[in-house]
This record gives sequence, structure tokens and C-alpha cells, in this order.
Amino acid sequence: SAVISQKPSRDICQRGTSLTIQCQVDSQVTMMFWYRQQPGQSLTLIATANQGSEATYESGFVIDKFPISRPNLTFSTLTVSNMSPEDSSIYLCSVVGTGGIGETQYFGPGTRLLVL
Amino acid sequence: AQSVTQLDSQVPVFEEAPVELRCNYSSSVSVYLFWYVQYPNQGLQLLLKYLSGSTLVKSINGFEAEFNKSQTSFHLRKPSVHISDTAEYFCAVIGDDKIIFGKGTRLHILP
Repeated sequence: SAVISQKPSRDICQRGTSLTIQCQVDSQVTMMFWYRQQPGQSLTLIATANQGSEATYESGFVIDKFPISRPNLTFSTLTVSNMSPEDSSIYLCSVVGTGGIGETQYFGPGTRLLVL
Repeated sequence: AQSVTQLDSQVPVFEEAPVELRCNYSSSVSVYLFWYVQYPNQGLQLLLKYLSGSTLVKSINGFEAEFNKSQTSFHLRKPSVHISDTAEYFCAVIGDDKIIFGKGTRLHILP
């Protein structure tokens, strides 16, 4: 199993500012994922963050808006840049267990972001 | 490409009544299916999963789901719900090395 913590747990931000969300895992993992869960919506994958390489972004998400760092195998950050009210959402960090395909995916508690 | 459809956004049910949360999937490759649960103000947790073998999988808290290949379904059931089952339930399938989630079904337990 993997235990994931996220900071901050919640924040209220002003339009045009940026927020960096931290994700810490209690074990070394190769792949980390960042999701967004907007009100009433499913989880949407933003990007996959592998240590030592550039993050891979899904359609509709770009690095300028959501820069990601992955300095080591237990830590990652996601920045939400130049925020607008449409960015209000829960942002989730996730990792996959080391068993390969079909292995359980573990999620952090999420960061609740409200942009005014 | 893989996809997941949860037809019901909300399901109200009386306490101690049975419940079924529906999930249909589409996949052109081997299927790995999951149900995740998100309790109020908590993170996502794996409830149960189907990888291979027996088509009926069970969780420790009384939920079960059956993989039905002909109907491309993986419905979640519980014979008697409790107030503590109030949560949002997400069906998911693995595709292209990433997990794809349905939109979720919010289970409301009525007293």
C-alpha cells in the first residue's frame, strides 16, 4: 500500500494568482498522477509525472497552466497558474502500486481549491 | 479506447434496503475493472477490483460486483445498506496505462 499526503488540504485564492500543491508518498513510486475533480464531475487526469522526465499532459491541459515538478521518487508538486474561478476544484495526487498492470491506484486526500 | 458509464448520478435508498449501482464499460483489450469509494471529506479508496478469475468480487464491508462480459457491465451491489455507506462511488477501467473513471454515483441513505 501507499500513504499519500497533500498540502494544502484546502485554500481560497484570488483570481490571477498561482497555487502550488505538494504531494508526498511514504514509498518510492515510479509513476505519479495528478487529477482534477470538479463539482459534480468525474476525476479527470491532468498529467502523469515520472521522475527524471517531463510530465505528460492529457488533452486540454498544458504545462504553462499546470507546471509539475517531480524531483524524486516520493514527491511531486502541481502548480495551478493564473487562476480563474473555473479552476475551483479538488486536485488529487495518485500513485500506482508496484505490482504492474491492474495494481491498485492510491489517492491522496485531495486539495480543495476555491478561486474567487 | 476505453470508457466507463455510470448511468445514475444519484441513488437514494432506505437504510437496510438493497442497492445496485450501475456501471457499463467499453474496452477493446483485456479488462481490469474497479470500484472506488469516496466518503464525505475523504480521499478515494479502492472498494474492490476485478482483474481475472471469478467474475464475482467482494469487499470487506458487504459490497460485491459481478463482471459480465456479454453485457459489458460491472454493477455494484449490497443486500442491505447502512447509513455509513453514504458516499460517492466511482467505477473505473484501466486503459492505455491509465485509469479512466466514470462520473460517479452519489449514494444517499434515507433513514
